[in-house]
Amino acid sequence: DAKTTQPTSMDCAEGRAANLPCNHSTISGNEYVYWYRQIHSQGPQYIIHGLKNNETNEMASLIITEDRKSSTLILPHATLRDTAVYYCIVISQTSYDKVIFGPGTSLSVIP
Amino acid sequence: SQTIHQWPATLVQPVGSPLSLECTVEGTSNPNLYWYRQAAGRGLQLLFYSVGIGQISSEVPQNLSASRPQDRQFILSSKKLLLSDSGFYLCAWKSRVRTEAFFGQGTRLTVV
Repeated sequence: DAKTTQPTSMDCAEGRAANLPCNHSTISGNEYVYWYRQIHSQGPQYIIHGLKNNETNEMASLIITEDRKSSTLILPHATLRDTAVYYCIVISQTSYDKVIFGPGTSLSVIP
Repeated sequence: SQTIHQWPATLVQPVGSPLSLECTVEGTSNPNLYWYRQAAGRGLQLLFYSVGIGQISSEVPQNLSASRPQDRQFILSSKKLLLSDSGFYLCAWKSRVRTEAFFGQGTRLTVV
């Protein structure tokens, strides 16, 4: 799997948009960008994924650059419950993929 | 709908004792199954993954072993626990046709 780099930590004011960046400069053509988050003492939760088009669901939006070397996860109106570690990973579309997590970004939403 | 069950939620075990953590998945067949460990303040480390019954791949050398006796059952074991085995253990599954993984609620193991 391609490696990703993310900032170690970020703060965001409650009610504002949280924009979490991720670099994946060695991503290959068949690899998807996935985002998960882990709230303290819980298992990671799937958020969203994409290949090359921007994606949106009820939780977040994913913006992938045209060259696919970076992406941004957007939480449009951050709440205190969004405080968590956010993981950006790349996974190829095969059956036997290992899902490898990096250190992620620790997002703190501040009242 | 698919669900994943992992138990127990917490466990305190003495050094040298055996360990058995069980994970089962419902509502799907032939899933990929994973065991992860998260030490305090650290990231998620993939320990084992399995693509079928009896097929186990180990990612890191360690004091633990894994088995998959049934399609939707994944067991993490140790014959003799070490202090360094303490951590948060997570089981996950992934289908062959979708690539998002789904996690259990984890077991917090403390070896004393």
